[in-house]
Amino acid sequence: NAGVTQTPKFRILKIGQSMTLQCAQDMNHNYMYWYRQDPGMGLKLIYYSVGAGITDKGEVPNGYNVSRSTTEDFPLRLELAAPSQTSVYFCASSYRGGGDSPLHFGNGTRLTVT
Amino acid sequence: SQELEQSPQSLIVQEGKNLTINCTSSKTLYGLYWYKQKYGEGLIFLMMLQKGGEEKSHEKITAKLDEKKQQSSLHITASQPSHAGIYLCGADNSGTYKYIFGTGTRLKVLA
Repeated sequence: NAGVTQTPKFRILKIGQSMTLQCAQDMNHNYMYWYRQDPGMGLKLIYYSVGAGITDKGEVPNGYNVSRSTTEDFPLRLELAAPSQTSVYFCASSYRGGGDSPLHFGNGTRLTVT
Repeated sequence: SQELEQSPQSLIVQEGKNLTINCTSSKTLYGLYWYKQKYGEGLIFLMMLQKGGEEKSHEKITAKLDEKKQQSSLHITASQPSHAGIYLCGADNSGTYKYIFGTGTRLKVLA
């Protein structure tokens, strides 16, 4: 059972480039989340999804886009990368929402924008 | 919106010592989670607390949620180097399905 899988693990982008961070889970979870973690900081919610076809903004959505065409996949798209997007990105999923079940995290994607 | 504040921000203890990490919410908690993150890795779920006054233990780690459901504490007894890492509390933001996290507590245990 793989859990939550994120690819790639590392990436260096030049300013203005675009990329997609992949996230897949095999636990049949409806709820999926994208967070970013800056050095010495906690996690900030970028986008989340409560099911296929449904997405919503979190605390820091600017500069990012998401889609949720299947239950398993929740890719995060960065358009026109900026140095401020240098961070570690975590994808997570949960069986239920509403404070009723824990989040399962991937191992993260470390992104550097130069 | 709801915010989670953790204290202390960092902690260095000698192996064998006890320690406590606190997490305070600006609003009533619907569910409070504790996670541990090893440096450079993802978060690992430790415990979930839902009811006021609830207390849970796993090995040498005990977590409590106060009666008013606005503060939680994580207590480690007889700390070991394996306890080192970043501890984060997380919660559902006022029942909106937007999980939020505290800023984390960095723990270092000296052998």
